[in-house]
Amino acid sequence: EVQLVQSGAEVKKPGESLKISCKASGYRFTNYWIGWVRQRPGKGLELMGIVFPDDSDTRYSPSFQGQVTISADKSTSTAYLQWSSLKASDSAMYYCGRPTVTTEIDFWGQGTQVIVSS
Amino acid sequence: QSVLTQPPSVSAAPGQKVTISCSGSTSNIGKFYVSWYQHVPGRAPKLLIYENNKRPSGIPDRFSGSKSGTSATLGITGLQTGDEADYYCATWAWDTSLSDGVFGGGTRVTVL
Repeated sequence: EVQLVQSGAEVKKPGESLKISCKASGYRFTNYWIGWVRQRPGKGLELMGIVFPDDSDTRYSPSFQGQVTISADKSTSTAYLQWSSLKASDSAMYYCGRPTVTTEIDFWGQGTQVIVSS
Repeated sequence: QSVLTQPPSVSAAPGQKVTISCSGSTSNIGKFYVSWYQHVPGRAPKLLIYENNKRPSGIPDRFSGSKSGTSATLGITGLQTGDEADYYCATWAWDTSLSDGVFGGGTRVTVL
């Protein structure tokens, strides 16, 4: 059974760093891309970027380029999303997902709530 | 700033049908597959339709997808209270750079 299990909710202050995770199981991790999707309160879904764990090829949507870092560790079948300096506007729910060869995201993590507040 | 346009909301009574449109362009829907997702905020999104009109196993045939030119449509028949959620279309391709607006803006379905 394919599963993507994300790390727990985080409450941080502006300027702090953060790394959240998405642990995959039930399939060969290095054969599929992993993507991160943001949902701000009251807003829609936004694809932030994707990573291919086998070679760490990473692509970002323009709005997120330089704002976050997406990575993957194939030794632990875990993908990561990290910030070096959080802003209040980073407060959101973050989902990881597995895009297929025809780009649909067939499996999703349960989401990680990030709250950034002073 | 989605490039895929969806109506903000649709509603219907239980048992009725709703359709949700997703309007794009020759640069996105006109070239790529469309997928549809059901999302209850705070829960994991669920894939409903992929490759324009295919349903994953476990998705009832009450849900259907179609694509024509630069638009796609999600249909839900026999509406149930459990169908109340936000619905998103999405389209992109591996051989192009990611762009902002992969997902449509979302449509809230309300069962009256």
